[in-house]
Amino acid sequence: GQQLNQSPQSMFIQEGEDVSMNCTSSSIFNTWLWYKQDPGEGPVLLIALYKAGELTSNGRLTAQFGITRKDSFLNISASIPSDVGIYFCAGFYNTNAGKSTFGDGTTLTVKP
Amino acid sequence: GAVVSQHPSWVICKSGTSVKIECRSLDFQATTMFWYRQFPKQSLMLMATSNEGSKATYEQGVEKDKFLINHASLTLSTLTVTSAHPEDSSFYICSAPGAQGTQYFGPGTRLTVL
Repeated sequence: GQQLNQSPQSMFIQEGEDVSMNCTSSSIFNTWLWYKQDPGEGPVLLIALYKAGELTSNGRLTAQFGITRKDSFLNISASIPSDVGIYFCAGFYNTNAGKSTFGDGTTLTVKP
Repeated sequence: GAVVSQHPSWVICKSGTSVKIECRSLDFQATTMFWYRQFPKQSLMLMATSNEGSKATYEQGVEKDKFLINHASLTLSTLTVTSAHPEDSSFYICSAPGAQGTQYFGPGTRLTVL
């Protein structure tokens, strides 16, 4: 089945630093999604990307849908303590019965 | 935006008992819902797709008799963990699909089986 490789697995950064994480796949997707999960909560959608090459921002977050449709990255600028959590990428292909494929997550720790 | 709720938020039960978890779409109808389980520091593992008015579709390796799913209305899906054992302790999360592959997740249910 489809698999996503998400990296890095975890990051420890200082407040104010920028963060970058990415996902790659051997398969193409129609949609790339980025979610954030706070401890003990369900994931929340951050950014959705629908076109190859699309670059979308949501506040301090920026994500891009790779040209090959097999990769995506998420950048967080000027990190703050509340950015702490697990970030998941997900790929969606519209013939997969509505299911998305999730990466293993990037755990972000921000030191004040 | 679309809101999905889960009940209970957490549950502790004795080994051998059954536990029911509810997933509700609060301001929209969902003919499909997804059930995931998540172990500490791991990713979301899709267990099954719940279909309103028909049988759920289970992922490979998930015991359908162990994890009973019922989707009796357009706003409610339930997951029952039957004869729970300590290895079933996990974080269970449901979601409802939005447009173009997006999903609205519930807040999760923490199950601890003693």
